[in-house]
Amino acid sequence: DAGVIQSPRHEVTEMGQEVTLRCKPISGHDYLFWYRQTMMRGLELLIYFNNNVPIDDSGMPEDRFSAKMPNASFSTLKIQPSEPRDSAVYFCASSFGTSGQETQYFGPGTRLLVL
Amino acid sequence: AQSVTQLDSQVPVFEEAPVELRCNYSSSVSVYLFWYVQYPNQGLQLLLKYLSGSTLVKGINGFEAEFNKSQTSFHLRKPSVHISDTAEYFCAVSEDTGFQKLVFGTGTRLLVSP
Repeated sequence: DAGVIQSPRHEVTEMGQEVTLRCKPISGHDYLFWYRQTMMRGLELLIYFNNNVPIDDSGMPEDRFSAKMPNASFSTLKIQPSEPRDSAVYFCASSFGTSGQETQYFGPGTRLLVL
Repeated sequence: AQSVTQLDSQVPVFEEAPVELRCNYSSSVSVYLFWYVQYPNQGLQLLLKYLSGSTLVKGINGFEAEFNKSQTSFHLRKPSVHISDTAEYFCAVSEDTGFQKLVFGTGTRLLVSP
């Protein structure tokens, strides 16, 4: 398996622009997570899905952020409009199972810079 | 809600020396505990996890961790580190509630020098 795939790996944009980050989870996994990593706040869970349904989006910072999972093999995280404080590394992770014991498999991340 | 504290933001150590990275957690229910490692410019990958049973857990790359329920700790150890162990290490906890939510600590940067 190729693991979790994220695109793009790097994104540089200007304030006010729309940014779309993409994730392909490992085939067969039923959970998908979006995290944000910054120096100031560390690793934060933004939202997670189970069987394509959003379960907990309490970590989404504000209405400018939205996430979708239209099918089991694809998810997007969108920021509109983007702001400099959104600059961070965004990780997608996937796992299988519901017991809380499962390992989460992380993608390589998307490094976002908003100017 | 669960929480994780990693007191050391950075731990410098010489190659072949032993190392311990500290992790304490807080939760009102039973927990599962994890250590993940992040190498530069990569995503996180699992080092080891404690689910139940023996409190000493062995992971990849010679790392091990010990679960101490009375002290609510899950410290990570390695008897002899290599340069290649230089990375960021994250402790994480999930609660035994049937949900997948992991809460991560702030991370400890392990710097191994020759």
